[in-house]
Amino acid sequence: AQSVTQLDSQVPVFEEAPVELRCNYSSSVSVYLFWYVQYPNQGLQLLLKYLSGSTLVKGINGFEAEFNKSQTSFHLRKPSVHISDTAEYFCAVTSRGTGRRALTFGSGTRLQVQP
Amino acid sequence: DVKVTQSSRYLVKRTGEKVFLECVQDMDHENMFWYRQDPGLGLRLIYFSYDVKMKEKGDIPEGYSVSREKKERFSLILESASTNQTSMYLCASGRGGSSSGANVLTFGAGSRLTVL
Repeated sequence: AQSVTQLDSQVPVFEEAPVELRCNYSSSVSVYLFWYVQYPNQGLQLLLKYLSGSTLVKGINGFEAEFNKSQTSFHLRKPSVHISDTAEYFCAVTSRGTGRRALTFGSGTRLQVQP
Repeated sequence: DVKVTQSSRYLVKRTGEKVFLECVQDMDHENMFWYRQDPGLGLRLIYFSYDVKMKEKGDIPEGYSVSREKKERFSLILESASTNQTSMYLCASGRGGSSSGANVLTFGAGSRLTVL
């Protein structure tokens, strides 16, 4: 079984400031990791993913995340946020192996970018 | 782009009614999923299907059933709706197989169900 913990339910930040959204996971097997973003009244959109290779992954809209196996973390970062980044962000995990496995999601972090 | 379409964006039903939520994907994906989204709880898996007529229970299947008669369509059924099933329901699809990309999901826009 896997689980995901997003440590912050809300993160307020001023425009152009850097931001980090924290994600820790628990799994007894090797994993794939994802960040999804949900804008108001929309479904989830893939932001970035870690499948293998470099532990620093870059996604859309200037976001990046770093996989840290020893700390079982996959924190999301952006060096300078915009008002349009206001949304809810979900971290998700699934085990490597068969393609039949569903994603397990965290409880979400609401990023509120203020002018 | 893969498109996942949920037929109803907003529904209002009464307690005890039978409710059907429909989801269609257009990219020949083997896997389809139904999640429920509630504030502070994130997304919780209700059911998923990895092939036609195949289904597996997720974390919260009680009170729900599913149907997958065709590869592109995955329906969520509430046999007798209750107020605690008021929620946002999200459908997703993804490729099958064991390649790394098989775990990437594409989501629909969601169906917000209110049970009175």
